[in-house]
Amino acid sequence: EADIYQTPRYLVIGTGKKITLECSQTMGHDKMYWYQQDPGMELHLIHYSYGVNSTEKGDLSSESTVSRIRTEHFPLTLESARPSHTSQYLCASSGGVPGNTIYFGEGSWLTVV
Amino acid sequence: AQKVTQAQTEISVVEKEDVTLDCVYETRDTTYYLFWYKQPPSGELVFLIRRNSFDEQNEISGRYSWNFQKSTSSFNFTITASQVVDSAVYFCALNSGGSNYKLTFGKGTLLTVNP
Repeated sequence: EADIYQTPRYLVIGTGKKITLECSQTMGHDKMYWYQQDPGMELHLIHYSYGVNSTEKGDLSSESTVSRIRTEHFPLTLESARPSHTSQYLCASSGGVPGNTIYFGEGSWLTVV
Repeated sequence: AQKVTQAQTEISVVEKEDVTLDCVYETRDTTYYLFWYKQPPSGELVFLIRRNSFDEQNEISGRYSWNFQKSTSSFNFTITASQVVDSAVYFCALNSGGSNYKLTFGKGTLLTVNP
């Protein structure tokens, strides 16, 4: 069972607010990822990190930003939320060599009104 | 380029029926890894199985079984005697190894098991 935690699970905020979605893992994994998923739709990689102080943009362009100051922590920030940011955000992590299993958190459902 | 195709968008069965979810993949790499994940209505993505390209043995875990065939580039997932709790979206995913740590996901298959 994966030990990867996301907070908040559910968030409803107003347009223009700044939000940070938290993600922490206790498995010591060096790789971490953020995926965005609209309800019933496919998953899109928006950010990833292969270690501390390393962050890259994913396959889908996103207005969000990430940071990786500590191995276990990979927060995602939206400086000014818009209704188009309404989605589920899934954090994930993996360790070791390529091809190892990527484990996911429970997701954060964001609604911007 | 990598690609995963799950042609079945939605499947509906009655409890106790067997159901097979199809997954076809494309990759030019000789070493790669295939995965299945389950996403129940609550939203989390639950890891089910990982298989590398050198191991074509079928796998069985309880009511779940997986059929990996390199000749047809398929990695199909069968649920035997389905139950209502199996209702979820199931994603097939591919990692081509090498220096690539990322997953390429299919679009998912929504399975509904009716009582």
